[in-house]
Amino acid sequence: DTGVSQDPRHKITKRGQNVTFRCDPISEHNRLYWYRQTLGQGPEFLTYFQNEAQLEKSRLLSNRFSAERPKGSFSTLEIQRTEQGDSAMYLCASSFGQFNQPQHFGDGTRLSIL
Amino acid sequence: AQSVAQPEDQVNVAEGNPLTVKCTYSVSGNPYLFWYVQYPNRGLQFLLKYITGDNLVKGSYGFEAEFNKSQTSFHLKKPSALVSDSALYFCAVSVSTGTASKLTFGTGTRLQVTL
Repeated sequence: DTGVSQDPRHKITKRGQNVTFRCDPISEHNRLYWYRQTLGQGPEFLTYFQNEAQLEKSRLLSNRFSAERPKGSFSTLEIQRTEQGDSAMYLCASSFGQFNQPQHFGDGTRLSIL
Repeated sequence: AQSVAQPEDQVNVAEGNPLTVKCTYSVSGNPYLFWYVQYPNRGLQFLLKYITGDNLVKGSYGFEAEFNKSQTSFHLKKPSALVSDSALYFCAVSVSTGTASKLTFGTGTRLQVTL
């Protein structure tokens, strides 16, 4: 399978702990996006990378969230000092070429905060 | 700011009947419009997109969508529904900012197809 891969699929942690998620995009895709989806809602944009450069961050993204994409390949999303409100599905997507090309999504990481 | 509205939380249709899932959008500039489908505990799968050109766009699994600029709508259609089409459907709009092309999604419409 050469689709977008996310790890882990599920993460359960206690409030206040730090968590890190990984996304491996489709290999030739230079654009990488992170979204957050809560129950009953559509995904909300968090941040965007073009190659290794983080070009846009949502105002929703608190300073407890940080994302990296070293070498323009895989990406990590870290949440520090997790809170109950961080419980959600975190989705990664990748694309290439023109901005009007579709984004291809991974199956997400479901985060549950105890 | 761009926004998408999906006015129906759920659409129920009998197998073999045509289906329509509604979407309206608001955006400054020319929109790029997308439909995605989501199955339980999975990510979103791309169905089709409208960029420019013909107002009727054909996509995967027999789905199509009609772009209507005057009504700012992009409704998803299928001539004959299947039980396996039952899933959560999201409409999304994107406008290039020059540095990104983030998607803004609607709240989703659950499609239930019954025998």
